[in-house]
Amino acid sequence: NAGVTQTPKFRVLKTGQSMTLLCAQDMNHEYMYWYRQDPGMGLRLIHYSVGEGTTAKGEVPDGYNVSRLKKQNFLLGLESAAPSQTSVYFCASTIWGGGHTEAFFGQGTRLTVV
Amino acid sequence: AQKVTQAQTEISVVEKEDVTLDCVYETRDTTYYLFWYKQPPSGELVFLIRRNSFDEQNEISGRYSWNFQKSTSSFNFTITASQVVDSAVYFCALTAGTALIFGKGTTLSVSS
Repeated sequence: NAGVTQTPKFRVLKTGQSMTLLCAQDMNHEYMYWYRQDPGMGLRLIHYSVGEGTTAKGEVPDGYNVSRLKKQNFLLGLESAAPSQTSVYFCASTIWGGGHTEAFFGQGTRLTVV
Repeated sequence: AQKVTQAQTEISVVEKEDVTLDCVYETRDTTYYLFWYKQPPSGELVFLIRRNSFDEQNEISGRYSWNFQKSTSSFNFTITASQVVDSAVYFCALTAGTALIFGKGTTLSVSS
């Protein structure tokens, strides 16, 4: 099983450029999440979705947008990248929210904004 | 608001030493879940354990054990007879609504 797949794995952007990170899961999970990981900060929640067509803001949503048009995909967009968005981005999915099941994580996307 | 504190930023031990990673949490929820994840140098996040707030039994899995104490809001993780392969960043996490919030992680370095 593929589990959770993130595309791309690495990317370098110039300040002001836009891009979309794709997260795809093949486990029929309802809940999906985007986190960013920065040194010494742990993982912080950017946005999440509790089902197809829904999205909600997490702890650090500014500068990002998301969409969940299909249940299996959760897209994270950066409209105008800034150096502060240099980070490792992780997507995760769960069958149900609230910790009732473990979260499955993708392998991460390392984004550098120069 | 929920919070997870991992006060130990970095720990260095020599192989075969026992090591305990501390996790203290804050929540007003009566039902919640706690997790530990491992992030090896390769970068992926590996699930280790999930514990609900009603189950205070300690758990042992091979060289790993977990001590959950609601009275002190702690969920500590002990590795017995550490090995080089245990070198990683370890995250403690707590449910907050439908998502997880993570501590800042503890970097464990095990030398041979």
